[in-house]
Amino acid sequence: KAGVTQTPRYLIKTRGQQVTLSCSPISGHRSVSWYQQTPGQGLQFLFEYFSETQRNKGNFPGRFSGRQFSNSRSEMNVSTLELGDSALYLCASSQGAGYGYTFGSGTRLTVV
Amino acid sequence: SQQGEEDPQALSIQEGENATMNCSYKTSINNLQWYRQNSGRGLVHLILIRSNEREKHSGRLRVTLDTSKKSSSLLITASRAADTASYFCATDTGRRALTFGSGTRLQVQP
Repeated sequence: KAGVTQTPRYLIKTRGQQVTLSCSPISGHRSVSWYQQTPGQGLQFLFEYFSETQRNKGNFPGRFSGRQFSNSRSEMNVSTLELGDSALYLCASSQGAGYGYTFGSGTRLTVV
Repeated sequence: SQQGEEDPQALSIQEGENATMNCSYKTSINNLQWYRQNSGRGLVHLILIRSNEREKHSGRLRVTLDTSKKSSSLLITASRAADTASYFCATDTGRRALTFGSGTRLQVQP
């Protein structure tokens, strides 16, 4: 069974640009979540999608957005990048409530 | 914001020894999960314990949960060099958003 796939693995962007990250969940998992990991703030929840609907959103500015497609694949977008957006972005999928999450290897975004 | 703290922040032991990590959290939970992360890669799910459970085992892992104290512990028995990683507890309050602790960095010396 294939795991959670995130692309790209590494990304370097310039301040002010925008970026789109992609996540393919485990087949059959309809819940997809995104997390940001930084040395200073640790792991923080961004948002969660289920059946193309955002069910929950973390405390991040509106520059961070996401969507989920009918095949459960998800994308997140960050507009007007800031240096502080440099982080490891992790995607996770789950069978549903009461189950653990399977994480992808992450996309490491560096903003210069 | 992080739900709680993990203790210790770093732990160094010899192969064959047991490693114990503790996690405290602040609010009522549906379940608590433990994850391992190697060198800034993705997280690997280790074990999930529900709020009505007190102890759970999986291979060399033993997790306890004390909801009255809002705390959990992860015990890794007979540690191996391959167990070297960061370990995180994460709480699920039912809102489908995990809140992670600050993590414990475990170093197992061969």
